[in-house]
Amino acid sequence: GENVEQHPSTLSVQEGDSAVIKCTYSDSASNYFPWYKQELGKRPQLIIDIRSNVGEKKDQRIAVTLNKTAKHFSLHITETQPEDSAVYFCAAQDDKIIFGKGTRLHILP
Amino acid sequence: GAVVSQHPSWVICKSGTSVKIECRSLDFQATTMFWYRQFPKQSLMLMATSNEGSKATYEQGVEKDKFLINHASLTLSTLTVTSAHPEDSSFYICSAGQGEQPQHFGDGTRLSIL
Repeated sequence: GENVEQHPSTLSVQEGDSAVIKCTYSDSASNYFPWYKQELGKRPQLIIDIRSNVGEKKDQRIAVTLNKTAKHFSLHITETQPEDSAVYFCAAQDDKIIFGKGTRLHILP
Repeated sequence: GAVVSQHPSWVICKSGTSVKIECRSLDFQATTMFWYRQFPKQSLMLMATSNEGSKATYEQGVEKDKFLINHASLTLSTLTVTSAHPEDSSFYICSAGQGEQPQHFGDGTRLSIL
C-alpha cells in the first residue's frame, strides 16, 4: 500500500522567512496530493492541492511542487506570519488518502 | 461549499460502553466516506473506508468487530466503537468527497473512556 514520508517533523522559522516541507510517496498510482493545515483540536483544513498532471501550483503565499518521477512533493510558504503556526500534513490519494506524519511549524516573532 | 457534519463532538463514557459516531454529508451525496483516528500529536490514521450499501473496507490492524461501520444511505455513515476501553480514547474524524473533488472533513469526535 501507499506510504507517505514527511520531513521535517518540526520546523521553526523567523516571521517573514520561507518554510518548506517535503514529502515522498511510494505508490505510483497516487494521483492527487493535498496539503492540510490542522490547528489544535480542530479538523484538517485543505490549504492547497495538486494533481499528478501538474508540476507546480501557487495560491498567494503558498505553493506546491510535484516531481512524479522522483515521487516527491513539497509545500512552500513564503512571507510567513504568526497565524501560519500549526501542524501541516501532506497526503497522497489514489482510492483513499494516506497522510504523512505531519510537520509542526512554529513561526518565531 | 461541501460540508460534512460529525456528531457528537465530545463523548465521555465508562469502560464497556458502546459509542456511536455519525458522519453526514450535508449538501452532496457520498458513496464513500473515510474514518480516521488521531492520537495526540500524531497523524491521521485511516481506519476504514465506508461504502454505501456494502461492507466497509478496514485497514490492516483495525478490528472490524470492534469498530462497526454502517453506511446505510448516501449521506450518512456511522462508526460504533463497541465495548470501548481506555485505549480506545482518541480523536475520531470522518471525511467525504464527491468523485475527484477534495475530501472534506467533519469536526471530529473526541472520545474519552474512563
